[in-house]
Amino acid sequence: GAVVSQHPSRVICKSGTSVKIECRSLDFQATTMFWYRQFPKKSLMLMATSNEGSKATYEQGVEKDKFLINHASLTLSTLTVTSAHPEDSSFYICSAQGPTYEQYFGPGTRLTVT
Amino acid sequence: QKEVEQDPGPLSVPEGAIVSLNCTYSNSAFQYFMWYRQYSRKGPELLMYTYSSGNKEDGRFTAQVDKSSKYISLFIRDSQPSDSATYLCAMSASSASKIIFGSGTRLSIRP
Repeated sequence: GAVVSQHPSRVICKSGTSVKIECRSLDFQATTMFWYRQFPKKSLMLMATSNEGSKATYEQGVEKDKFLINHASLTLSTLTVTSAHPEDSSFYICSAQGPTYEQYFGPGTRLTVT
Repeated sequence: QKEVEQDPGPLSVPEGAIVSLNCTYSNSAFQYFMWYRQYSRKGPELLMYTYSSGNKEDGRFTAQVDKSSKYISLFIRDSQPSDSATYLCAMSASSASKIIFGSGTRLSIRP
């Protein structure tokens, strides 16, 4: 149980284009999902908290217009990186909050912007 | 001072050894403590989830929390090469609060 999937696992895009990453909780409902960014050999940096049916809460320094988050259902949250630039290249990981508030992580999406 | 401090390692031990991984923290409000294992280029996997002080055991893994010292530990018994990964400690003040992660300790188990 408690499986979270992400799609795509890897994506390469050109500078200026937008990329959408999906996060799904496969066997449980998650009213809250989280989006993290992780740089090589560094820990997870929380970008935003996504609540089903309401606007996401962004961490300080994270541009909400650049990183669009939509949590349209209890099993799906999406992160769209708009007008991507090479500095947006990173490993993006989502997590879904389980019934006893623990977080289960997806496998991550490696974004490379050329 | 960071809220959560974790030695980045790398830590290398022979197969079969007992591994001790530790984190210290500064926020006395933290009540929930977690350990995650992350293999290279994968998402973190929840290993242990504990509330308040005490010990919790699950197979070869034991988590300890000492709130008086603001110190948490993860012990791995009979370590295996497959345990080689980065281990992240994490904690939060309440069940619905933001989780604060340590920077992770890279562990290598030598066959």
